[in-house]
Amino acid sequence: DGGITQSPKYLFRKEGQNVTLSCEQNLNHDAMYWYRQDPGQGLRLIYYSQIVNDFQKGDIAEGYSVSREKKESFPLTVTSAQKNPTAFYLCASQTRQGYGYTFGSGTRLTVV
Amino acid sequence: RKEVEQDPGPFNVPEGATVAFNCTYSNSASQSFFWYRQDCRKEPKLLMSVYSSGNEDGRFTAQLNRASQYISLLIRDSKLSDSATYLCAVLNTNAGKSTFGDGTTLTVKP
Repeated sequence: DGGITQSPKYLFRKEGQNVTLSCEQNLNHDAMYWYRQDPGQGLRLIYYSQIVNDFQKGDIAEGYSVSREKKESFPLTVTSAQKNPTAFYLCASQTRQGYGYTFGSGTRLTVV
Repeated sequence: RKEVEQDPGPFNVPEGATVAFNCTYSNSASQSFFWYRQDCRKEPKLLMSVYSSGNEDGRFTAQLNRASQYISLLIRDSKLSDSATYLCAVLNTNAGKSTFGDGTTLTVKP
């Protein structure tokens, strides 16, 4: 079955540590997105990529980095510069411009 | 002011009730509109797209008013299984990204 796979489902980060969240899709979608969701709030855009080897900052990119070396993969690194990283991270992809998104099941990141 | 605003609710309704959610947006460059459903601690799932002519999918009706810059979702004959958070999203195709509202929580009670 086609879909988006995010891993791990739960992740714990120590202060000052970088962690990488995985997002893989086999839907052959060009566009991919990373959103962050805090409790009781909506989704805020971190980074997005329309094509391979190209990506743009979203509204809250500070403290995060991404890469898009393959169409299927769009990993997100949460760096130590992100001071409040505890949140639910959602990866999404879009089949064509103007269409809605398909989301992965998310990664819950907690700072310990 | 947020780019997309929704009434957070919560909306608590009995089974069988009709409930409506509204969402306003401020960016007139927005070109496509959607409603997503999000269950507790799960990912959002696309419920329906919203067209200017209005569109219906079973008990769900979505409408867009471009002049007033709002979209709406009407749920008729509410079921217990409709309990969830409903997120509206506006897509700026030129920018290639969507902006989401904070969501409206619906609880349908027996």
